Amino acid sequence: DTAVSQTPKYLVTQMGNDKSIKCEQNLGHDTMYWYKQDSKKFLKIMFSYNNKELIINETVPNRFSPKSPDKAHLNLHINSLELGDSAVYFCASSKPGQGAQGYTFGSGTRLTVV
Amino acid sequence: GESVGLHLPTLSVQEGDNSIINCAYSNSASDYFIWYKQESGKGPQFIIDIRSNMDKRQGQRVTVLLNKTVKHLSLQIAATQPGDSAVYFCAETYSGSARQLTFGSGTQLTVLP
Repeated sequence: DTAVSQTPKYLVTQMGNDKSIKCEQNLGHDTMYWYKQDSKKFLKIMFSYNNKELIINETVPNRFSPKSPDKAHLNLHINSLELGDSAVYFCASSKPGQGAQGYTFGSGTRLTVV
Repeated sequence: GESVGLHLPTLSVQEGDNSIINCAYSNSASDYFIWYKQESGKGPQFIIDIRSNMDKRQGQRVTVLLNKTVKHLSLQIAATQPGDSAVYFCAETYSGSARQLTFGSGTQLTVLP
C-alpha cells in the first residue's frame, strides 16, 4: 500500500543509453513532480505536472522528458545519458489544499551512469 | 536564481540535548516554509510547516521559527533522540509556483550516545 512508488530503486547504465524511471501514486493526488538529488544531497525540482500543465525547470536539459499516461503515473524518460546525470531521482505528488503534509515523496531511484 | 541555504552542513548533539538547525532563504515572495527529514535510502518526510503570517509553530518535540525580517528559518528539536539522526532540509514555496519546492542544501544531524 505504498503511497508513491518508484521503479527501479537502482539503475546502472552506460553513457549514451536511454532509460526510464517509473512513478505511481495511489493517493488520488492531482499533481506529480520529479526532483533530482545530487551527490551533495542538494534537492532540486525538475518538473511539476498535472492534467492541465507541465512546468519545466529551466535548468533541466531537454534530454529529460516526463510522460504521464494517466493521473496516477508520471514517468521520467532520459535520452543520451551523461555521467552528470548520476543522482537520486525522487518522484512526489500533492493535492491542492492539503499543504505540505499531503506532499508525499517516493523512496528514490539511484541512477548511476558509467 | 533564488535559493534556500543552510548555515551548517553538519551538526552533532548529545542524546537528550536540544538541536537547532538554521536556514536562510532569499526569495521574499515565499509564503510557505517546510522542514523535511531524510533518512538514508528514503525520500524526504514532512516534519512541520509554517506560513508567512506566523512566526512560530510547535509540533511534537519540534518547533519552527520564522523571521521574515532577516529571511531566517530554524528548526528546534527538543530532547534529541538517536532516531532523529538524519539529513534535515528546509524548503520554501509561494503561491503561483505550482507548489514546486525550493530546498536548502541540508544539514546532517548526528545524535551522539
